[in-house]
Amino acid sequence: KQEVTQIPAALSVPEGENLVLNCSFTDSAIYNLQWFRQDPGKGLTSLLLIQSSQREQTSGRLNASLDKSSGRSTLYIAASQPGDSATYLCALDTGRRALTFGSGTRLQVQP
Amino acid sequence: GAGVSQTPSNKVTEKGKYVELRCDPISGHTALYWYRQSLGQGPEFLIYFQGTGAADDSGLPNDRFFAVRPEGSVSTLKIQRTERGDSAVYLCASSLTSGSGNEQFFGPGTRLTVL
Repeated sequence: KQEVTQIPAALSVPEGENLVLNCSFTDSAIYNLQWFRQDPGKGLTSLLLIQSSQREQTSGRLNASLDKSSGRSTLYIAASQPGDSATYLCALDTGRRALTFGSGTRLQVQP
Repeated sequence: GAGVSQTPSNKVTEKGKYVELRCDPISGHTALYWYRQSLGQGPEFLIYFQGTGAADDSGLPNDRFFAVRPEGSVSTLKIQRTERGDSAVYLCASSLTSGSGNEQFFGPGTRLTVL
C-alpha cells in the first residue's frame, strides 16, 4: 500500500525566505504527483502536476521536483510572502486514478 | 469558467439521520471523485465515477455510504444512519477524463457535523 509522508508537519518562516517542503512515498510506481494548497476551511487548489516521465515543473515562484527512484518530491517556494500561508499537500496517482494524499505541511509566513 | 461546486457548504445533523451531499463537476469533465478529510489529515479517497458508473468504490467505509451519478454530471453522496465518526469535510473533484495524468480539480467541500 502506498504511503505518503510530508515533512515537516508545520513550518514558520519570516517573509522573503526561500523554503522547501518535502514529500516522500513508499512505492515508486506512480503515474503523476500533484501539489495542492489548502486555505483554512477551504477546498484544495492545484498548484503543480508532475507526470511520471517529468523531473520538475515550475509556476511562478513555485518549483516542484520529482525523483521516483528515491521516492521523493520537493516543493520549492521562492521569496515567501504572508499570502503563501496555507497547508500544502502532495498527492500521488498510482494508476488507480484516486489520489493518495500526505497529511500536509502547515506553512506560516511571518510579515 | 465555473469550477466544481458542492452543496450544502455546511450540514449539521443528528446521529442516525440520513444526509445527501451534492457535487456539480466542471462542465465536460467525465470523471468525478469523492474524498473525505478529517481534521489535520489529508483527504482519503471514497469513490470515483467515469461517466455514470462507479469505476472504483473501494474507499467507501461501509454500506451506509452510497453515491450516484445518474446522468454523468451531478453526483450525490448519500449517508444512511449517520454516526458521530462520519463528521468530516467531504470533498468532490473532477477531471477531464480518468486517464492517468489528468489533473483533478476540487470543490470547496461540505463540512458534515453529526451530533
